[in-house]
Amino acid sequence: KNEVEQSPQNLTAQEGEFITINCSYSVGISALHWLQQHPGGGIVSLFMLSSGKKKHGRLIATINIQEKHSSLHITASHPRDSAVYICAVFNAGGTSYGKLTFGQGTILTVHP
Amino acid sequence: DAGVIQSPRHEVTEMGQEVTLRCKPISGHDYLFWYRQTMMRGLELLIYFNNNVPIDDSGMPEDRFSAKMPNASFSTLKIQPSEPRDSAVYFCASSPWITTSGSIYNEQFFGPGTRLTVL
Repeated sequence: KNEVEQSPQNLTAQEGEFITINCSYSVGISALHWLQQHPGGGIVSLFMLSSGKKKHGRLIATINIQEKHSSLHITASHPRDSAVYICAVFNAGGTSYGKLTFGQGTILTVHP
Repeated sequence: DAGVIQSPRHEVTEMGQEVTLRCKPISGHDYLFWYRQTMMRGLELLIYFNNNVPIDDSGMPEDRFSAKMPNASFSTLKIQPSEPRDSAVYFCASSPWITTSGSIYNEQFFGPGTRLTVL
């Protein structure tokens, strides 16, 4: 079992729909990273959070450290949101500061 | 700042050849990471440096892979000899040092990647 599991693996939506991508992890973490990767493009950091909730435009990320779970929400989805969304966690403790463990990614396609 | 710079963006080579990938991190960032991304395995950490010193190279697949960081503004990842199974996108990322409430973690900034194809 992977240390970081995302669901769903693939997600198709119609423009305007509310979208949720989930991330569960099995290790103790310092913080969690949500990343976005467009087809053929690089990787962009969306959020880094260690507790509570963060919001940026139409994107909202939440984390529950006790339940080892995080969600990424997209309100009023748009075709330009189509991308791969990757959850990554910073393992807590030890000497591997800043070392990320990645989920397998969620492929989101938003149709007009 | 121009962000993390990687070169080349695309590399096509034949099996057995030496391949060198290059990375210039964001100025002032203490950490540099090399990742590999494939369809089968997703993103994997290969090695990372703190202040030019390798900290964790447990992800380097085998002796054919080596990485150096001779100074704070330059790093290389070398594959010698290359094999078809090395075909992947290789990302470099850098991060500053951030601490909060006693926890230590770093937001990472990724370069555009180098797409390597080994024939």
